[in-house]
Amino acid sequence: GQQLNQSPQSMFIQEGEDVSMNCTSSSIFNTWLWYKQEPGEGPVLLIALYKAGELTSNGRLTAQFGITRKDSFLNISASIPSDVGIYFCAGLSGANSKLTFGKGITLSVRP
Amino acid sequence: DTGVSQNPRHKITKRGQNVTFRCDPISEHNRLYWYRQTLGQGPEFLTYFQNEAQLEKSRLLSDRFSAERPKGSFSTLEIQRTEQGDSAMYLCASSSGGTTDTQYFGPGTRLTVL
Repeated sequence: GQQLNQSPQSMFIQEGEDVSMNCTSSSIFNTWLWYKQEPGEGPVLLIALYKAGELTSNGRLTAQFGITRKDSFLNISASIPSDVGIYFCAGLSGANSKLTFGKGITLSVRP
Repeated sequence: DTGVSQNPRHKITKRGQNVTFRCDPISEHNRLYWYRQTLGQGPEFLTYFQNEAQLEKSRLLSDRFSAERPKGSFSTLEIQRTEQGDSAMYLCASSSGGTTDTQYFGPGTRLTVL
């Protein structure tokens, strides 16, 4: 079945640093979504990407939909302690409506 | 608050008992989804509804699981004869459909089966 690959599993950065996360797939997706999840809560939508090559920003977050439609990345600039959480990429293939998620990257920010 | 809501937020039950969870989607959304998430994993699709019609079910949804959306608004997910392996976070999401179909999640129901 379809799988999204996110690595590494954990990232540790210093407050103020920029961080980049990648998500890759062996299958094509028509929509890429990035979510953030905090303990005991549901995923919160950060950025949605709908077209290959699209680059979208949301405050300090920037994400891009890869040209091949098999990858996406998320950048967080000037990190702050509240950026701590698990970041998931998710893809929608268009053949159906179910989202396929990666395993997530746990981000820690040292003050 | 106009987001997706789920009740209860936490449920502890003994093995063999039945449990039911409720999801209220964003009011104008006609699509509603159920996902299950276990520790260290991303959410996994269980089933989805377009209005009151259940259009797709995952193989993860065994015969002990049933979901309904009788009036095309709120939905319930019932698990019969719970097993310890059912312990997970059950997430509900909704969307307006269409070509973009962006899904917004609720806070989840954490199920613990003892």
